[in-house]
Amino acid sequence: GAVVSQHPSRVICKSGTSVKIECRSLDFQATTMFWYRQFPKKSLMLMATSNEGSKATYEQGVEKDKFLINHASLTLSTLTVTSAHPEDSSFYICSARGPPSYGYTFGSGTRLTVV
Amino acid sequence: AQTVTQSQPEMSVQEAETVTLSCTYDTSESDYYLFWYKQPPSRQMILVIRQEAYKQQNATENRFSVNFQKAAKSFSLKISDSQLGDAAMYFCAHSQGAQKLVFGQGTRLTINP
Repeated sequence: GAVVSQHPSRVICKSGTSVKIECRSLDFQATTMFWYRQFPKKSLMLMATSNEGSKATYEQGVEKDKFLINHASLTLSTLTVTSAHPEDSSFYICSARGPPSYGYTFGSGTRLTVV
Repeated sequence: AQTVTQSQPEMSVQEAETVTLSCTYDTSESDYYLFWYKQPPSRQMILVIRQEAYKQQNATENRFSVNFQKAAKSFSLKISDSQLGDAAMYFCAHSQGAQKLVFGQGTRLTINP
C-alpha cells in the first residue's frame, strides 16, 4: 500500500529558531500533499495544500510567512516553522493523495515543542 | 463550504457488541468521497472505510460498515463485534474530487471489557 514517511517524529526547539518537518511519499508520486495541525483532543485542522512545483495554498488564518511550505519534488514536501514560539507547539501531520485506490495516506506526525 | 459534523464527542460499547458513530456533512457538490479514519493513541491516522458518493451501495470492510444516506447527507459508521483494539478517536471526513479532506470533530470510542 501507499506509505508516507514523516520526520522527525518529535522535536524540541528554542523560541526564535526554525524547525523543518519532512513529508515523503515512499512508493508513489504525490503531486499534492496536505499539512494539518492537531491540538490535544481536537480534530485535524488543515493548514495548507502543497502542490509540486508551485506555491502552496494556505487556509484562512494561517500565516504563510510563519509556516513555509516547499514541495520541490513529486515525493517530498517540507513544512518549516519559522521563528518558532511556544504557541506553535502542536502536533503536525502531513497527508498525501496517492493512487485512486489508496485515497489519502497520512504520515505518523511530528510533535513540536517550543521552549 | 464543506462542513462535517460529529455530534457524539464520546461513545462507549461493551466488547463484542455493536456501536454506531454518527456523521453528517454539508456540500453543494454531487460527486464527492466520504471517509472514516481511526486515530489510536499512537496518533497515526488509519483509514477505516471510504464511500464514493455516486455509489448507492454501502461500503463494508469486515466488521466495519457504513449507512450512507445521500439525500440526508448522513454517513454513519457501524462497528460490529467490537474489540478492545477498536478503542480510538474516530474521524469522519469529506473530500470533493482530489481536493482537501475536511474532518469532523471526532468521536472518542471506548471499549468496555
